[in-house]
Amino acid sequence: DSGVTQTPKHLITATGQRVTLRCSPRSGDLSVYWYQQSLDQGLQFLIQYYNGEERAKGNILERFSAQQFPDLHSELNLSSLELGDSALYFCASSPLGGFTEAFFGQGTRLTVV
Amino acid sequence: GENVEQHPSTLSVQEGDSAVIKCTYSDSASNYFPWYKQELGKGPQLIIDIRSNVGEKKDQRIAVTLNKTAKHFSLHITETQPEDSAVYFCAASMKMDTGRRALTFGSGTRLQVQP
Repeated sequence: DSGVTQTPKHLITATGQRVTLRCSPRSGDLSVYWYQQSLDQGLQFLIQYYNGEERAKGNILERFSAQQFPDLHSELNLSSLELGDSALYFCASSPLGGFTEAFFGQGTRLTVV
Repeated sequence: GENVEQHPSTLSVQEGDSAVIKCTYSDSASNYFPWYKQELGKGPQLIIDIRSNVGEKKDQRIAVTLNKTAKHFSLHITETQPEDSAVYFCAASMKMDTGRRALTFGSGTRLQVQP
């Protein structure tokens, strides 16, 4: 158990809908990272938050957004969902904003039908 | 953009043999190189990492080597066991378009250890 908690584990929704994925980082970790893993693909970096502020951005679609709250949990919002958004979404956390060990949660499997 | 290439995509070895997975990266300023193991239905698990001021690091049956000049790093697993079967990902701290750094992952290697 990495100590990073993601909810829900599974989510099935229709095209055009909006969903929110939640991540609770390890106790004491200030950074949260979101990654997308599509079928048979690697992990694509979406966005990083550090202590409530956006720190780094990858290839995140404009339909996607995220935030980190004062208690350090984070939410990833996906809107106007398309079939191609079906994937595993992982959250990871690390103690600092720079590069130390990042620990991943179990992921949320999103299926868009 | 900056990327990480990983080879091979699949690797099958006999139990007890060694396995080697190689990655190359494009950003010469990268300074952190972790390796993750992902088992079916689980999130990636950090197994070993190395920083750019070190050439080699070992942890029991796992070792990582880094050649900064050639911009490549490798994972070595000795005395493989069936429970080593998983997908392994390398990663490197790469500069994003925003100028900030983030971990960029290779495409993964599916390792199968045959008993």
